[in-house]
Amino acid sequence: QGQLVQSGAEMKKPGASVKVSCKAFGYTFTSYYMHWVRQAPGQGLEWMGMINPSGGFTSLAQKFQGRVTMTSDTSTSTVYMHLSSLTSEDMAIYYCARASSSLYYYYGVDVWGQGTTVTVS
Amino acid sequence: DIQMTQSPSSLSASVGDRVTITCRASQTIGTYLNWYQQKPGKAPNLLIYVASSLQSGVPSRFSGNGYGTDFTLTISSLQPEDFATYYCQQSYSNPYTFGRGTKVEIK
Repeated sequence: QGQLVQSGAEMKKPGASVKVSCKAFGYTFTSYYMHWVRQAPGQGLEWMGMINPSGGFTSLAQKFQGRVTMTSDTSTSTVYMHLSSLTSEDMAIYYCARASSSLYYYYGVDVWGQGTTVTVS
Repeated sequence: DIQMTQSPSSLSASVGDRVTITCRASQTIGTYLNWYQQKPGKAPNLLIYVASSLQSGVPSRFSGNGYGTDFTLTISSLQPEDFATYYCQQSYSNPYTFGRGTKVEIK
């Protein structure tokens, strides 16, 4: 069914960058888009973008264009999300989440990582 | 961006109650609408995709309906494990925006 394991918590200073990893297990890594969603403390969910691990095509929310880079490494079944120019507004839990369908990108996401807490201070 | 408006923002209900949550899109999105459940400290869990399809493993007391701009999530008989926050999300166009959530609490 699949499992996603993310890298550990990060503490960064304002202006710095962070790179979060998400390693996939138990399914064909290149067959499913991977999404990134973040959640600020006590707040709702915010979709950041998605990547096709096969080929690296990305679709980012305009809000994050220029500041977020998503990449994939098929040799290790790992996707990465790099966020630069951090501010206090970027403090959040960052989740990777796998598309639920390998055919239909709009079928939601059904496998989530455990989340990576990013603190900016 | 497509705005997703959920109502109510919170509700109190008893075990066994029928609960309905509404989600309205700022423009038509067909059936490109998903519902998630999130419990404190946990990642969200996909309940319903494309408005009315039940995700594998999700209890049949959950159902979704709607087309265009107006959608509902219904829990036919609320169970203790259903107390959580529920989010709708449109997957019609980038960015795939979420509603602000509906917190379902115990009465």
